[in-house]
Amino acid sequence: AQKITQTQPGMFVQEKEAVTLDCTYDTSDQSYGLFWYKQPSSGEMIFLIYQGSYDEQNATEGRYSLNFQKARKSANLVISASQLGDSAMYFCAMRPISSNTGKLIFGQGTTLQVKP
Amino acid sequence: KAGVTQTPRYLIKTRGQQVTLSCSPISGHRSVSWYQQTPGQGLQFLFEYFSETQRNKGNFPGRFSGRQFSNSRSEMNVSTLELGDSALYLCASSLGSGGRGNEKLFFGSGTQLSVL
Repeated sequence: AQKITQTQPGMFVQEKEAVTLDCTYDTSDQSYGLFWYKQPSSGEMIFLIYQGSYDEQNATEGRYSLNFQKARKSANLVISASQLGDSAMYFCAMRPISSNTGKLIFGQGTTLQVKP
Repeated sequence: KAGVTQTPRYLIKTRGQQVTLSCSPISGHRSVSWYQQTPGQGLQFLFEYFSETQRNKGNFPGRFSGRQFSNSRSEMNVSTLELGDSALYLCASSLGSGGRGNEKLFFGSGTQLSVL
């Protein structure tokens, strides 16, 4: 069985500072993919970044980077230069690499508030 | 390119009634997945349809059902509504075939269902 754990229910960060959102996972699959999504108050889930378990380098997408530590089974999201628009709920998710099905396993989420 | 469209945005029903939610995926996407989001249980996978066939199913009672049409549009039905069915129901679409498991899901804004 797969499980995602996000231990920070809520976090605050000052505008323009960097913030790290924690994600640990558990899986028996040898190959898997890890995703981060952002959910603003509008409800829509917005894809941020992807990391494959086979990727040698940490993923980066603009201000988002993923601190992937396979041995520790952690995939923390780093947001640099926080903006007010980053205030939202953030979800870590995973699926086996074996296929591109629509089934993702999500963590409980972390609510991020950016202070001006 | 239009995103994932879910209708209606809000819905209020009473216990015992049934409800149908609709999802129009991104053009060209053949996979549609449904998720239930509640404050207590978080995001839980309901089912996935690919080319009009149910490909994956989550751990929900038979009151929850769905279907997919030839144009990839999908509907989700919940019969004999219970208070605990109050939730945000999210639909996600993707190409759903091949690949290395890195295919991201595109989500709609959801349907907020309240059962009174």
